[in-house]
Amino acid sequence: TQLLEQSPQFLSIQEGENLTVYCNSSSVFSSLQWYRQEPGEGPVLLVTVVTGGEVKKLKRLTFQFGDARKDSSLHITAAQTGDTGLYLCAGAPSGGSYIPTFGRGTSLIVHP
Amino acid sequence: DVKVTQSSRYLVKRTGEKVFLECVQDMDHENMFWYRQDPGLGLRLIYFSYDVKMKEKGDIPEGYSVSREKKERFSLILESASTNQTSMYLCASRRGGMGEQYFGPGTRLTVT
Repeated sequence: TQLLEQSPQFLSIQEGENLTVYCNSSSVFSSLQWYRQEPGEGPVLLVTVVTGGEVKKLKRLTFQFGDARKDSSLHITAAQTGDTGLYLCAGAPSGGSYIPTFGRGTSLIVHP
Repeated sequence: DVKVTQSSRYLVKRTGEKVFLECVQDMDHENMFWYRQDPGLGLRLIYFSYDVKMKEKGDIPEGYSVSREKKERFSLILESASTNQTSMYLCASRRGGMGEQYFGPGTRLTVT
């Protein structure tokens, strides 16, 4: 059983469309991170969310941490071809191991 | 900026060879990680080091060992490479606790 479930697994959209990626768990997390990984490269940190209900914006990307700190979402407005990549959420459950767990990722392709 | 470097971007080895993958970070981080990434399986933790000479097994340590003699350097060793160890290997570092990780660019290892 995957501790962090990401959905959808794949997304193929046209430039200009909006999309949302979800990261869900039955466990409470002290913080969650979102990463983007381009083909052949390592993941790059986008944001860390810490407080339940927190919303963070990074240009056209909006990240939200659920009130109960069990889930998170990433919303991209007016997607661009440069947004193409694998999006990963990660975190360590509260009160448990300090070893982080990763979701399996959402592979996004934005077509021109 | 945190910088994590890995010794090779691409590596081709023969079955039975001993393989060394090196990772160096320049931000005095306590924690370092080795993952492998395979399509459909996501990132899987091989080993974790929380300090010099300290290590913990991750989810898939079989066939691998690690060495951390200096704080900035974390090495992954494949004692006798096998074809099922063909994968993308990612190193990461973290200051401590449960915060964000910083990844290297990855090593694409092919074992023939």
